[in-house]
Amino acid sequence: NAGVTQTPKFQVLKTGQSMTLQCAQDMNHEYMSWYRQDPGMGLRLIHYSVGAGITDQGEVPNGYNVSRSTTEDFPLRLLSAAPSQTSVYFCASSYSRLAGGRSKNIQYFGAGTRLSVL
Amino acid sequence: GENVEQHPSTLSVQEGDSAVIKCTYSDSASNYFPWYKQELGKGPQLIIDIRSNVGEKKDQRIAVTLNKTAKHFSLHITETQPEDSAVYFCAASTPGGFKTIFGAGTRLFVKA
Repeated sequence: NAGVTQTPKFQVLKTGQSMTLQCAQDMNHEYMSWYRQDPGMGLRLIHYSVGAGITDQGEVPNGYNVSRSTTEDFPLRLLSAAPSQTSVYFCASSYSRLAGGRSKNIQYFGAGTRLSVL
Repeated sequence: GENVEQHPSTLSVQEGDSAVIKCTYSDSASNYFPWYKQELGKGPQLIIDIRSNVGEKKDQRIAVTLNKTAKHFSLHITETQPEDSAVYFCAASTPGGFKTIFGAGTRLFVKA
């Protein structure tokens, strides 16, 4: 298993440009999420999906779109990039495991995409 | 909204000493608390987790404790080694679990 694969690893955009960050997982996980990581702020949830065809907003969804047409892929789109979107983006896939009657969500992260918007 | 506070932001210890990282969460519905280790240039990786029905869990040199009443949980690393140097994140999630709130991270330096 390759796990969670993110492409590209690095990207530089000009303000107003659009692009798509790709994320693919081969673990047949139901859940997938996108986070951004900024210095001193940890990881903040942008959007997430609980299955193909279902997406929802996280903490910081503005300026980003997602879709989930297959279980494997969860692309993140920036329609008009802004300098405030300069960050490191992580995709995660997860499954919910029941143990002792209680569930927990174990997340597996990709290696990240470092995005700079000039 | 819900948040998770993590302290300290930076921690430096001598090899062989113990390291403790503390987190506080705000959402009383949180029931699952994972800890992630992030090495330079990589994504976070789960190292240990604890559910709300357990007070303590140990895995070799790492342990996690949870005080649900006080909404505190902590990571303890004993006999630290240089390869423990990384950024550590605590997190809290509610039933269902796909909305996870992360702390801001602790950068741990272990000096040889």
